Amino acid sequence: DIQMTQSPSTLSASVGDRVTITCRASQSVSGWLAWFQQKPGTAPKLLIYRASALETGVPSRFSGSGYGTDFTLTISGLQPDDSATYYCQQYNSFTFGQGTKLEI
Amino acid sequence: QITLKESGPTLVKPTQTLTLTCSFSGFSLDTSGVGVAWIRLPPGKALEFLTLVYWDDDKRYNPSLRSRLTITKDPSRNQVVLAMTNVDPLDTATYYCARLLITGGKRLDHWGQGTLVTVSS
Repeated sequence: DIQMTQSPSTLSASVGDRVTITCRASQSVSGWLAWFQQKPGTAPKLLIYRASALETGVPSRFSGSGYGTDFTLTISGLQPDDSATYYCQQYNSFTFGQGTKLEI
Repeated sequence: QITLKESGPTLVKPTQTLTLTCSFSGFSLDTSGVGVAWIRLPPGKALEFLTLVYWDDDKRYNPSLRSRLTITKDPSRNQVVLAMTNVDPLDTATYYCARLLITGGKRLDHWGQGTLVTVSS
């Protein structure tokens, strides 16, 4: 089974900052990777799919990149509403990363 | 408008079988390139993929849970049912169903609100 490793596990940043979260797959998943944002008590929200495609309605300050085994989610111009846990998910066998908790 | 909603028991005893239903609207599981997945979030832990059924009835399972899970679809009723046998307190979690879309790139683009299931005697 493909394992997904996210780093860091927790991240503290300030409003206006630019942050990067990384996700590494134990084997190549090509470009089949998505990023989700989840806030307590709510369902995950799709941000990025196919590694770099922005989901409709998601602000352009969210961006994704990568291919194969190494991927990144970048959030520019952090807003207080960006406080959440972020997950990557690969679509070969659908496993999630362990999550990154972002505190603003 | 696409919606999904999970339903089922909120409390299950250890060793029992948990059955959850995902009722959806705004899309059809008869349409090529569509699927419905189940995912759970145990308290204090990470999201965990459970299982997925495609429009053509192809299925995928989490290998570590494969022996305990069954997913079935009923396109005529717009429902997908998850059955998990021999539950344990470690199965306590919020269970979500989500639509999988393949066209343009695989993604779980719409999710239900989730349902909290507690396993306890």
